Amino acid sequence: DSGVTQTPKHLITATGQRVTLRCSPRSGDLSVYWYQQSLDQGLQFLIQYYNGEERAKGNILERFSAQQFPDLHSELNLSSLELGDSALYFCASSPQRGGFQETQYFGPGTRLLVL
Amino acid sequence: GESVGLHLPTLSVQEGDNSIINCAYSNSASDYFIWYKQESGKGPQFIIDIRSNMDKRQGQRVTVLLNKTVKHLSLQIAATQPGDSAVYFCAEASGYSTLTFGKGTMLLVSP
Repeated sequence: DSGVTQTPKHLITATGQRVTLRCSPRSGDLSVYWYQQSLDQGLQFLIQYYNGEERAKGNILERFSAQQFPDLHSELNLSSLELGDSALYFCASSPQRGGFQETQYFGPGTRLLVL
Repeated sequence: GESVGLHLPTLSVQEGDNSIINCAYSNSASDYFIWYKQESGKGPQFIIDIRSNMDKRQGQRVTVLLNKTVKHLSLQIAATQPGDSAVYFCAEASGYSTLTFGKGTMLLVSP
């Protein structure tokens, strides 16, 4: 158990809908990262938040957005869902106290199926 | 469970053998490297990391070797066990950049 929690574990929805995925980082970790993992793309970095502020952006679609709250939990919002958005979505966290790269600890993921 | 990727390189070994999983990276400025293990249906699990000022680092039954000259990283698992069966990812980062993950290698351990 990494200490990172994600809810829900599974999510089934329809095209055009909007969903929210939730992540709670390990106690004391300030940075949260979101990744998408699909069968043909591997692990793709979406976005990073550090202490409430967006720090880095990866291959995140405009239909997707995220935020990190004062208690450091984070939410990833996916809207106007398409079939191709079906994937595993992982959250990871790290202390990021020194600013440089540190080990990221991953949650168990949310499996999203868009029908 | 489900596989995490199609057409992954696969390494098949017998229980008790030593396994070596290789990873080539492209960014010569990368200075931090991590190996993750991902079992079916689970999130990536940290195994071991290494910074560019080191060539070798050992953990419990695992060793990571870094060859910066040829931009190559390897993970050695001693006395491989069936529980080691998983997909293994290497990841790299430079400076303050985020991690970039490789495509992964599937390790299959036969009893």
